[in-house]
Amino acid sequence: AQSVSQHNHHVILSEAASLELGCNYSYGGTVNLFWYVQYPGQHLQLLLKYFSGDPLVKGIKGFEAEFIKSKFSFNLRKPSVQWSDTAEYFCAVNVIPGGGADGLTFGKGTHLIIQP
Amino acid sequence: DAGVTQSPTHLIKTRGQQVTLRCSPISGHKSVSWYQQVLGQGPQFIFQYYEKEERGRGNFPDRFSARQFPNYSSELNVNALLLGDSALYLCASRYQALNQETQYFGPGTRLLVL
Repeated sequence: AQSVSQHNHHVILSEAASLELGCNYSYGGTVNLFWYVQYPGQHLQLLLKYFSGDPLVKGIKGFEAEFIKSKFSFNLRKPSVQWSDTAEYFCAVNVIPGGGADGLTFGKGTHLIIQP
Repeated sequence: DAGVTQSPTHLIKTRGQQVTLRCSPISGHKSVSWYQQVLGQGPQFIFQYYEKEERGRGNFPDRFSARQFPNYSSELNVNALLLGDSALYLCASRYQALNQETQYFGPGTRLLVL
């Protein structure tokens, strides 16, 4: 079964700092990759997704992620964070083909705190 | 369009009781998935339903069951509740085209088992 590893459980940054959150997955075949964000008191929202093609994908709120197949990685980046980016960030993978039979596999999440 | 809706938002039960959680997917989506999110962890896959049939099941005991109705809404049932079942239960509305699949999550039902 596939697994997802997020390297940083807690990250504290100051506003305007650059952000990179690491994500590695274990499956060697074709995957769909996702980053979800959970703001305080809100539900999981899709930040961005990768299916195929250009390995650099752009999402909402200025976030982007790069898929590096050789490293089984899908790191999330933002050049300049804002206080409103304080949230829990989850990396997730879906194995293809699979028809969704295994659902999404999530990492344990990274709690990001942005200090004003 | 309305997003994914779940009810109830919060629930308190005692050990041994049974609980039913409800979910309505995004209009036009025919598939739902259920996840359990324990505090401090990422969501864990429980079930997936498509066109009223179970298409996938995670590593959860038989106390967990689900079904999907003709209008694509879904129920998750948990019998003989244990303290460890306390969690946020998430429903996701699933959209798939060829090999591309996206899941959109509802606000969840927070279950506390005493």
